[in-house]
Amino acid sequence: DAGITQSPRYKITETGRQVTLMCHQTWSHSYMFWYRQDLGHGLRLIYYSAAADITDKGEVPDGYVVSRSKTENFPLTLESATRSQTSVYFCASSESKPTYGYTFGSGTRLTVV
Amino acid sequence: GQQLNQSPQSMFIQEGEDVSMNCTSSSIFNTWLWYKQDPGEGPVLLIALYKAGELTSNGRLTAQFGITRKDSFLNISASIPSDVGIYFCAGRRGGATNKLIFGTGTLLAVQP
Repeated sequence: DAGITQSPRYKITETGRQVTLMCHQTWSHSYMFWYRQDLGHGLRLIYYSAAADITDKGEVPDGYVVSRSKTENFPLTLESATRSQTSVYFCASSESKPTYGYTFGSGTRLTVV
Repeated sequence: GQQLNQSPQSMFIQEGEDVSMNCTSSSIFNTWLWYKQDPGEGPVLLIALYKAGELTSNGRLTAQFGITRKDSFLNISASIPSDVGIYFCAGRRGGATNKLIFGTGTLLAVQP
C-alpha cells in the first residue's frame, strides 16, 4: 500500500526494555521525522533525517536512537524505556522542497509500565 | 525548543457556528501550514500558505498568512460534527532546512 505506515499501533513494554518503533514510506521522500505527542506539549520533534545515512537531533532526543540505512525506513529505538517515554509517537515524511508539508503516519501508542 | 503560541487551547461550540483560531510567533516564518488531527490518527494537512497576506480557502476552511509574517489565522464556517479534532498550526522559517515548528494545538468540540 502506498503511503506511510507505522508499526506497531499499540505497544506496552516494561521499564528498562529496549523497544523499536518502525516507520516505512513508499514515496521515496527525502525527509523523515519522529515526533512525540503529549498532552499540553503538542508535537515535539525527537529526530529527523534529510536523507539515508543522515540524521540529526530534534528538540527531545535523549533516550532515543535512530538509523536510516534505506530511504524508505526510519526506525526509532528506545534503548532503555522509561515511564516518561509513555506517549504517542508519530512518524512523518516530506519531499525535499522546503515548501512542502509533512505527511504523518497513524501513530504508535506506547505505554511503559 | 520553540513552539508556536496557538489560541484558544480548546473550543466547545454548537453545530453551525463559525470558528476562529490563531497562531503567533516571535520569529518571522516564510511558510505557514494548518493541520487537523482526528482522534486516533495522525495530523492531516488542510491548508498551506506561502506569502505574507495570502488568503487561501479549502471548502469551509479559510486561512491567512499574517502581514507581519509572525502569525496566521484559521477560520471554519458553519461547523459540523466531523470538524471535531485538534487543529495544529505549523511554521517554517526558511533556509535549507525542512523542519517545521508546531503550535500546541486547538481542541475543537462541536455539539450537534
